[in-house]
Amino acid sequence: EVQLVESGGGVVQPGGSLRLSCAASGFDFSKSWMHWVRQPPGKGPMWVSRINTDGSNRVYADSVKGRFTISRDNAQNTLFLQMDGLTVDDTGVYYCSGGIPPDFWGRGTLVTVSS
Amino acid sequence: DIGITQSPDSLAVSLGERATINCKTSQSVLYSSNNKDYLAWYQQKPRQPPKLLLYWASIRESGVPDRFTGSGSGTDFTLTITSLQAEDVAVYYCQQYYTLVTFGQGTKVEI
Repeated sequence: EVQLVESGGGVVQPGGSLRLSCAASGFDFSKSWMHWVRQPPGKGPMWVSRINTDGSNRVYADSVKGRFTISRDNAQNTLFLQMDGLTVDDTGVYYCSGGIPPDFWGRGTLVTVSS
Repeated sequence: DIGITQSPDSLAVSLGERATINCKTSQSVLYSSNNKDYLAWYQQKPRQPPKLLLYWASIRESGVPDRFTGSGSGTDFTLTITSLQAEDVAVYYCQQYYTLVTFGQGTKVEI
């Protein structure tokens, strides 16, 4: 069974940092392009970042460029999102997903940026 | 960036009736080299992640009922739910994956 489990969310003050993780199982992680997608409370999903299979190609939404870094550890079947310089607009549920288009998703982890 | 506009924002449909959702992209998502439209449709129910319904504009994901149909090409697309069922109450999003990824704002389908 394909499974993605996110962790690392929580409450952080503006300007703070968080590192999200996504543990993958049930599929060949090393062959899957992976994404982070966030969903603010009561709003639609917004794509955040994507990484190719070996990590050599990473792209970001303009709103997070320069602040967020996506990475992966294929040996540990884990996807990461380092988030620095957080703002209140970064609040939401963060999902990791895989495939092109994203066709399998985790349950998400909630990030709340608040003073 | 490719923008997406969905319409309507919400609609109410009787059980067994048809629901039609439109999606317009700001530029073509048809890739000429393979003649594929890089357009997907998702369904999202409360407290769940989005679920992929269709990709390449009209190909159903495995397990998706055939009452869900996608059509269109280039910049204009439609998701049709024929004979709406109670379990189809959800928010539906179109998404382009031609250049990075962009979601539409969503269409809430109610009974």
